[in-house]
Amino acid sequence: DAGVIQSPRHEVTEMGQEVTLRCKPISGHNSLFWYRQTMMRGLELLIYFNNNVPIDDSGMPEDRFSAKMPNASFSTLKIQPSEPRDSAVYFCASSPTTKSYEQYFGPGTRLTVT
Amino acid sequence: GNSVTQMEGPVTLSEEAFLTINCTYTATGYPSLFWYVQYPGEGLQLLLKATKADDKGSNKGFEATYRKETTSFHLEKGSVQVSDSAVYFCAPQAGAGSYQLTFGKGTKLSVIP
Repeated sequence: DAGVIQSPRHEVTEMGQEVTLRCKPISGHNSLFWYRQTMMRGLELLIYFNNNVPIDDSGMPEDRFSAKMPNASFSTLKIQPSEPRDSAVYFCASSPTTKSYEQYFGPGTRLTVT
Repeated sequence: GNSVTQMEGPVTLSEEAFLTINCTYTATGYPSLFWYVQYPGEGLQLLLKATKADDKGSNKGFEATYRKETTSFHLEKGSVQVSDSAVYFCAPQAGAGSYQLTFGKGTKLSVIP
C-alpha cells in the first residue's frame, strides 16, 4: 500500500493568497483527520471525517479554514485568505476505525506564508 | 475526553543505555493506547499499540504495557541506538469507541554515540 499521500510537500505563498492542501487516504480506511503541527502549539486536530462526513470541526481555527471530503479517496484543506500565523506543517491521517483505531499519517505539507 | 501527561524532554542518552518515557492518562472506560514516533522532517509513524489491560505492545525493541490500575503506558527500550533519535508521542484513544486520539506533547530523544 502506498500509505497516506499528501500534496504538495512544500508550499510557500504570500499573505492573502488561497492555499489548498490535498490528501489521499489509505484505501479502505473510513476515517480521515487533518492536523496542524507547530513548535509553539504542538500537534492540533483541526477536523475529522467518518465515511466522508465531517464529524468534528471544533479545531478549525476560524472561518478562513475549510475542509472537504467529496469521496472516500480524496480530501482537501483550504485556507483563504492565508496569513503568516498559518505557517505550520499540516498532516493528514487515516484510520480503519471499523476494525481498530490507529491512525496512519502522511508525510505532511510544510506551509510557509510570507 | 481523555487527557495525557507525557514525560517532558529533551532526553539525551548514550548509545546502549536503557530508555523509559513515562506516559499517564485519564480515561473513561478502557481506551486503546498507542505510541508514535516522528523522525526529523517526517510524519508520525505508529510504533506500537495495546488494546486491552495487561497487553504488551512491542516493535523494534520498544515495549509498553497497558496498566489499567495506574492508567499508564510507559515506553521502554533496553538498549537505544543513535537511529532511535526522534520525538515520541503517547496517544490514548480519546474515549472508548472514539475515533480520535489524544496526543501528548511529545518527548524528544537524542542518542549520542
